[in-house]
Amino acid sequence: DIQMTQSPSSLSASVGDRVTITCRASQSISDYLNWYQHQPGKAPRLLIYAASSLQSGVPSRFSGSGSGTDFTLTISSLQPEDFATYYCQQSFSVPPTFGQGTKLEIK
Amino acid sequence: EVQVVESGGGLVQPGRSLRLSCAASGFTFDDYAMHWVRQAPGKGLEWVSGISWNSGYIDYADSVKGRFTISRDNAKNSLFLQMNSLRAEDTAFYYCVKDRYGGFDSGSNWFDPWGQGTLVTVSS
Repeated sequence: DIQMTQSPSSLSASVGDRVTITCRASQSISDYLNWYQHQPGKAPRLLIYAASSLQSGVPSRFSGSGSGTDFTLTISSLQPEDFATYYCQQSFSVPPTFGQGTKLEIK
Repeated sequence: EVQVVESGGGLVQPGRSLRLSCAASGFTFDDYAMHWVRQAPGKGLEWVSGISWNSGYIDYADSVKGRFTISRDNAKNSLFLQMNSLRAEDTAFYYCVKDRYGGFDSGSNWFDPWGQGTLVTVSS
C-alpha cells in the first residue's frame, strides 16, 4: 500500500494568514492526489483533485500543486470557516490511502 | 442536488453483526462506483471498501477483509455494508462516498460527495 505522510500534523494560524500543508507519498503517484476538508460534525468535502484542479464551488484561495511524491495545499488568506482538518489522498492505486490529517487551529 | 445519506449505525456487542445502508439521489447511481470510508474516534480517514458500478469489481481494506461485505442495489439507488464479527476497533463514523468514475481500479478517481456519516459503536 502507498503511505501518505502529511506535515505538519497541526498548525495554529490567524485569519488572513497564508498557510501551506505538505503531503508526501511513499512512491511516485504522478498527479493522482486529492485534498479534502473535514469540519467537526460535517461531511468531508473535496477541495482539490488531480493535485491542482479546484473543485467546483471551492473558493479560489485554495490551491494545490505538486507531482510525483511531493504535494502542497495552500490557503492564500485564511478565513474563519477554514479552520478544520485537511487530508490528502492518493488515487494512484488500490487501496486508496489518506494522510494522517493536518488540524488547522485558530491562533 | 447530488446527495448520499447513511443509516443503520448503532451500538453493537463485539462479535455481532450490523448492516449499514446508503441512499443516493440526484445522480445516475448505476453509472458510478461507490465506497465506504470510516473515521475512528480521534483518528484519520480510512478507506474500508469499494464497489464498481455493476458490482464487477469489489475490494476491501485488509483490516475488514473476510468480515465485511459491500453490495449495491442499482434499482433502489442503494449501497450497503454488511459488517460481521465486529471488533472494538471497528468503532467509527462510516461515510458513504460517490466515486468520480464507474470503476476505481485504474486510478485518477476521487471521492465526492460524502454523506454525513453514521456512527457504529462496538462495545459490550
